[in-house]
Amino acid sequence: EVQLVESGGGFVQPGRSLKLSCATSGFTFSDYAMAWVRQIPKKGLEWVATISFDGSGTYYRDSVKGRFTISRDNAKSTLYLQMDSLRSEDPATYYCTRLGAGFDYWGQGVMVTVSS
Amino acid sequence: EIVLSQSPTTITASPGEKVTITCRASSSISYIYWYQQKPGASPTPWIYDTSKLASGVPNRFSGSGSGTSYSLTINTMETEDAATYYCQHWSGTPWTFGGGTKLGLK
Repeated sequence: EVQLVESGGGFVQPGRSLKLSCATSGFTFSDYAMAWVRQIPKKGLEWVATISFDGSGTYYRDSVKGRFTISRDNAKSTLYLQMDSLRSEDPATYYCTRLGAGFDYWGQGVMVTVSS
Repeated sequence: EIVLSQSPTTITASPGEKVTITCRASSSISYIYWYQQKPGASPTPWIYDTSKLASGVPNRFSGSGSGTSYSLTINTMETEDAATYYCQHWSGTPWTFGGGTKLGLK
């Protein structure tokens, strides 16, 4: 059974950093590109970042470029999102997703709150 | 950036009724993907490559469309279909989602 389990969310002040992790199991992690998608409370979904299967390629939405870094450890089957310089527009539930036929598996999500 | 506009934003349907949700793209796209989300849960893949049903999706659902206009249809509404549905494209980054259509039970 494919499982994606996020951790690392929480409350942080504007300008500070947070690192999300996504532990995966049930599939060969190194075969798949992975992504983070966020959902602003009671609003829609927003793609954040993608990383290729081997980590050689990374892609970001403009609003997080230069602030967020997606990475992976294929030996640990774990995906990461380093979020620096957090802003008031970043609070959301962040989902770890696998790229198969679309975003074909999602984690349960982790909440990030940014407030002074 | 390709903008996806879903209509209606909210809809209610009675069991047995036919339901159609539309997703319009600001530029031509190759395929559309649909996700179902129920309250308190993560989105679930529902339809991929415009018309292919994800694993476990009942065949009362169908997807169609091309270019800038796509749709998700439920042939006969069932109570379990009440949820929010989002469309999403893969035609170049940023990959964007529609704003969602909330389907309720009448």
